Amino acid sequence: GIQVEQSPPDLILQEGANSTLRCNFSDSVNNLQWFHQNPWGQLINLFYIPSGTKQNGRLSATTVATERYSLLYISSSQTTDSGVYFCAVENNAGNMLTFGGGTRLMVKP
Amino acid sequence: KAGVTQTPRYLIKTRGQQVTLSCSPISGHRSVSWYQQTPGQGLQFLFEYFSETQRNKGNFPGRFSGRQFSNSRSEMNVSTLELGDSALYLCASSFTGFRRPKGPEAFFGQGTRLTVV
Repeated sequence: GIQVEQSPPDLILQEGANSTLRCNFSDSVNNLQWFHQNPWGQLINLFYIPSGTKQNGRLSATTVATERYSLLYISSSQTTDSGVYFCAVENNAGNMLTFGGGTRLMVKP
Repeated sequence: KAGVTQTPRYLIKTRGQQVTLSCSPISGHRSVSWYQQTPGQGLQFLFEYFSETQRNKGNFPGRFSGRQFSNSRSEMNVSTLELGDSALYLCASSFTGFRRPKGPEAFFGQGTRLTVV
């Protein structure tokens, strides 16, 4: 099956700093989503981005499908950005998401 | 518009028992998927239902089963619980037709945290 790798696994930032999270995948995909898991476990949708670039406030994401990677940018980080960020992909086999191992982000005040 | 609703939120069961978890998708969504999250294995796909039919199944033993009703609500059942079944179980719904050129966006519920003692 498709493999999804996220880096870095852990990241500690000072409030106000910028960061880039990376997601590599091993096959072509129909769907790529970025999620933020809140302390209660819910996965919050950040971006649906099988290709191209999107921005939402301080967050933006870029997926280069031909090179099989996606990047999530967080600018001017805040303590509320802390948590685990997941990348998930769906390939042509369809009907299921394969998740990366996540990036655990801690933003210090 | 209501999101994906999972019940119960927390559950404690004893080894050997069985458990049923429920998921109500976003109104209009006909696809429901289930995932298990554990510290050791991360997030893993269990199964996906569309129009009351299981379309895909992950690599889990037969003790894990599910079903979907005509109103798209889904249940998953785990029989003969083991300590290793302790996990956060997440349900996702998506709007999908029979043919979809691009995978639809999935939306997740708050999860059911199952503890097996």
